Amino acid sequence: QQQVKQSPQSLIVQKGGISIINCAYENTAFDYFPWYQQFPGKGPALLIAIRPDVSEKKEGRFTISFNKSAKQFSLHIMDSQPGDSATYFCALGLAGNTGKLIFGQGTTLQVKP
Amino acid sequence: GAVVSQHPSRVICKSGTSVKIECRSLDFQATTMFWYRQFPKQSLMLMATSNEGSKATYEQGVEKDKFLINHASLTLSTLTVTSAHPEDSSFYICSAKGQGRYEQYFGPGTRLTVT
Repeated sequence: QQQVKQSPQSLIVQKGGISIINCAYENTAFDYFPWYQQFPGKGPALLIAIRPDVSEKKEGRFTISFNKSAKQFSLHIMDSQPGDSATYFCALGLAGNTGKLIFGQGTTLQVKP
Repeated sequence: GAVVSQHPSRVICKSGTSVKIECRSLDFQATTMFWYRQFPKQSLMLMATSNEGSKATYEQGVEKDKFLINHASLTLSTLTVTSAHPEDSSFYICSAKGQGRYEQYFGPGTRLTVT
């Protein structure tokens, strides 16, 4: 049973546009919601993360929107650049700060020049 | 952000041999380290969690006798793939977090190819 559903699977955006990736989860056993960026052949890099006590967090061009009641959160990349082309993973952190993360299926983003 | 290194970055070994992968946190004390496996174009699968000085906790379906994990210090964890077979070929990635922190930082990964 999938605990997290990430969409879309792939995304093509023009340079300067907004990239939006969504994740939905099924139960309330999580209290940490990070997004990771992964380039081919590299390990994932922590991009931005949010706790459930806030509905939005912004760091530079990256914003997380969090809807606790709907059990959804999304990543918005403003002014998308070709260098943002990568695979993005959302993750769910189990409550209690065990560190255990459940990853989404991943979204491959391509930003066209 | 915090830095996690892995060594080697790539390794090719013959079937039946063992391979050790090291994971180091370079600028923080990692009370908990994690080992993941990732197949091409797929997501990350958690294999095991290790706390410094304790036995690792393995996820369901992961053979603890095949994937030996040691977390002997606050900056080093090792994964040994014993009696490797071609189906063990994969991208292995470690991650680390500090005491009381939520952030988890990943290493660059190790590409294992078993021939």
